[in-house]
Amino acid sequence: DTGVSQDPRHKITKRGQNVTFRCDPISEHNRLYWYRQTLGQGPEFLTYFQNEAQLEKSRLLSDRFSAERPKGSFSTLEIQRTEQGDSAMYLCASSLGPPGSTEAFFGQGTRLTVV
Amino acid sequence: TQLLEQSPQFLSIQEGENLTVYCNSSSVFSSLQWYRQEPGEGPVLLVTVVTGGEVKKLKRLTFQFGDARKDSSLHITAAQPGDTGLYLCAGFFGGATNKLIFGTGTLLAVQP
Repeated sequence: DTGVSQDPRHKITKRGQNVTFRCDPISEHNRLYWYRQTLGQGPEFLTYFQNEAQLEKSRLLSDRFSAERPKGSFSTLEIQRTEQGDSAMYLCASSLGPPGSTEAFFGQGTRLTVV
Repeated sequence: TQLLEQSPQFLSIQEGENLTVYCNSSSVFSSLQWYRQEPGEGPVLLVTVVTGGEVKKLKRLTFQFGDARKDSSLHITAAQPGDTGLYLCAGFFGGATNKLIFGTGTLLAVQP
């Protein structure tokens, strides 16, 4: 296993279009996180899963955002009716747990540009 | 409200200088991690600290976890241009969710 992978690496879309990103976590990791990051800032938590269950969604996640992890393996993040403010790096991470806290490993991210 | 505050937000220094980055919170962490991120890439884990008062060293980097597990620091000795990047602290907060939250970030530029 080569780590967390995200696809695509870059996405340019027109305002109003829908986009979907995919994350493949490290295979034995049961937790999967999605974050959004703008330039020079720390990643902002969006949502996370334990296996296939979505445990929490941030208030940052409007109704236009939806995430799934149907079989507890890969996850998708969909943004409907994209807006220019959605332009950011979308990061996925995975980890083992609970119980206790362990390291999270990140993918290289998907850079979204809404024009 | 930001749970994890980092300072300084931005630091530009000359090669060979020392620096310290701080990560503070009013909450107690079950553990804390430091990451380094380069432009266009995801964060890469540097270290995890778990025990209050713990000190870990990674070559020229020294990480310290506060006794009360509410704060942490990263000290770099004799900085090099290759240390340039965004440094992030992150904490697993306990309770039912135990999710990973990131700090505000410190952007370090080391000039040759």
